[in-house]
Amino acid sequence: GQQLNQSPQSMFIQEGEDVSMNCTSSSIFNTWLWYKQDPGEGPVLLIALYKAGELTSNGRLTAQFGITRKDSFLNISASIPSDVGIYFCAGQLKGSGYALNFGKGTSLLVTP
Amino acid sequence: DVKVTQSSRYLVKRTGEKVFLECVQDMDHENMFWYRQDPGLGLRLIYFSYDVKMKEKGDIPEGYSVSREKKERFSLILESASTNQTSMYLCASSREEIETQYFGPGTRLLVL
Repeated sequence: GQQLNQSPQSMFIQEGEDVSMNCTSSSIFNTWLWYKQDPGEGPVLLIALYKAGELTSNGRLTAQFGITRKDSFLNISASIPSDVGIYFCAGQLKGSGYALNFGKGTSLLVTP
Repeated sequence: DVKVTQSSRYLVKRTGEKVFLECVQDMDHENMFWYRQDPGLGLRLIYFSYDVKMKEKGDIPEGYSVSREKKERFSLILESASTNQTSMYLCASSREEIETQYFGPGTRLLVL
């Protein structure tokens, strides 16, 4: 499957700061998903996006499905220590069936 | 809440052993997936199944097989474990035609 380009690879921020990460692809996606993975655990779904231009919030998290359908971003506002983890984007290519393509993750560290 | 469970959180096996990883979901999902996750490589799809007794190869099926005898259960089999199969194995499930996948907690397998 095609890997998504996710950036940045890692972030080291102070508590209270806002965070932004994004995923891009050269192909058109039907769906964009954002997951968070804590150490030693499976990824947990944060936000799902199904339409181009869609902007969705989940508490302090906001994600958007790019208008070109080739990108998505995730913002975290007012970060807290429990935001620490690895954030993955995932998308389904148009016409690809059931499988998802994943980014390699953004590792987030938050200092008190 | 969707619940995906995996039979073991940690497993240590010897080279050449036959290894079974079990995954069960309780949401009547049609689709089930097996991934492995390695540092720097992200999540890679091994096999998936969209119905009982149906299976499709993912990106890295070599050295693995799967079994889906019941809708709620999807097993990953390592016929003869090798050290390069040391990894974190993640199971996921999704509803038919819905791309959102829900993950289990993962099985960390060490092959000695």
